[in-house]
Amino acid sequence: GAVVSQHPSWVICKSGTSVKIECRSLDFQATTMFWYRQFPKQSLMLMATSNEGSKATYEQGVEKDKFLINHASLTLSTLTVTSAHPEDSSFYICSARRPLAGSYEQYFGPGTRLTVT
Amino acid sequence: DQQVKQNSPSLSVQEGRISILNCDYTNSMFDYFLWYKKYPAEGPTFLISISSIKDKNEDGRFTVFLNKSAKHLSLHIVPSQPGDSAVYFCAATPRNYGQNFVFGPGTRLSVLP
Repeated sequence: GAVVSQHPSWVICKSGTSVKIECRSLDFQATTMFWYRQFPKQSLMLMATSNEGSKATYEQGVEKDKFLINHASLTLSTLTVTSAHPEDSSFYICSARRPLAGSYEQYFGPGTRLTVT
Repeated sequence: DQQVKQNSPSLSVQEGRISILNCDYTNSMFDYFLWYKKYPAEGPTFLISISSIKDKNEDGRFTVFLNKSAKHLSLHIVPSQPGDSAVYFCAATPRNYGQNFVFGPGTRLSVLP
């Protein structure tokens, strides 16, 4: 199956600093990538949809100035958590949609655990 | 308001028996459904999907059943194996809505040896 990687897998940062998380599709070009957030024992919540070469579409309630998304190439999307606070601590997961006709599958990365102290 | 519901937060099954995970949805625009499996601290992995034009899709030990009139789908795993122990998420998408998935809250399956 398709491979999606995330880096870093785990990061601890101090409150007020910014953290960048990378999402790469390793063996296919992804015109669309998605960023999710998962709190403990809860479901995956879609944060934003990232389209290569255009601005990301954010879900209601997600601050676009706080969660900066850049999809600069067909294999890389980045999520930057700016001025992180402890309440931003969560598990962030990206996914990529393979642009095949009739394909609706999303391939997920392994996730990034962010802890803000 | 949850559009995709998985009313059982957890399920325990004996090894070798059948596991049945249920999912209900409210949005009649959904017409493509997927099941994902997730281990702790890992991303979800795709298991099986079904389009609304079908009522059953089978892949090895995994079978998904869709009842459109009841807006209900279920995932059957038979025989269940200890390695199947994970959280299972049901996801749904309307075909013409940018393929954004709406995920259910998940069901934690424990297969006991």
